[in-house]
Amino acid sequence: NAGVTQTPKFQVLKTGQSMTLQCAQDMNHNSMYWYRQDPGMGLRLIYYSASEGTTDKGEVPNGYNVSRLNKREFSLRLESAAPSQTSVYFCASSDTGDEKLFFGSGTQLSVL
Amino acid sequence: RKEVEQDPGPFNVPEGATVAFNCTYSNSASQSFFWYRQDCRKEPKLLMSVYSSGNEDGRFTAQLNRASQYISLLIRDSKLSDSATYLCVVNRNNQGGKLIFGQGTELSVKP
Repeated sequence: NAGVTQTPKFQVLKTGQSMTLQCAQDMNHNSMYWYRQDPGMGLRLIYYSASEGTTDKGEVPNGYNVSRLNKREFSLRLESAAPSQTSVYFCASSDTGDEKLFFGSGTQLSVL
Repeated sequence: RKEVEQDPGPFNVPEGATVAFNCTYSNSASQSFFWYRQDCRKEPKLLMSVYSSGNEDGRFTAQLNRASQYISLLIRDSKLSDSATYLCVVNRNNQGGKLIFGQGTELSVKP
């Protein structure tokens, strides 16, 4: 069972470069999320999508954009990467009204 | 002040020990509460929900004190495999986008 699949697992960017993190889930979940995790900070919500066609800002949306391409896929884009965006990024999904999150395996991003 | 605070540890305990983690939250409107487990360099996974009356799942017991705004997790008879970071999670208003994660408490169980 694939669950939540994120790509890539690792990425190194130079300041100013752009990239898109891909996320797909095969559990027919309505809600999808992007979090970042930094040492001592816990997971912080970047953006979420409660259902196909909707997206909302989380706690730390600046510097990011998202696209809910269809029910399965939710991508995160960095238009102009900055060193402050060096982090581990997790995609997650949940069923509507269910607070249990299923996470992908994460993307380790370094911006030099 | 962070909305959800945990002692980061690390807690180093011998196998068989009982260990307890506490977590405090600042928003009194918080509706529901969870413990997630995260192994080193892995994704978080739900360990258990926390109910008002307290709940138990095998060696794990979770408790909630709404008056004092804290949540606890007790692990009895610790195993080596319990070594992980335990994340306290609070939902402000029963909507998926409002889950707030603590920074986690690291547990290391030694032989």
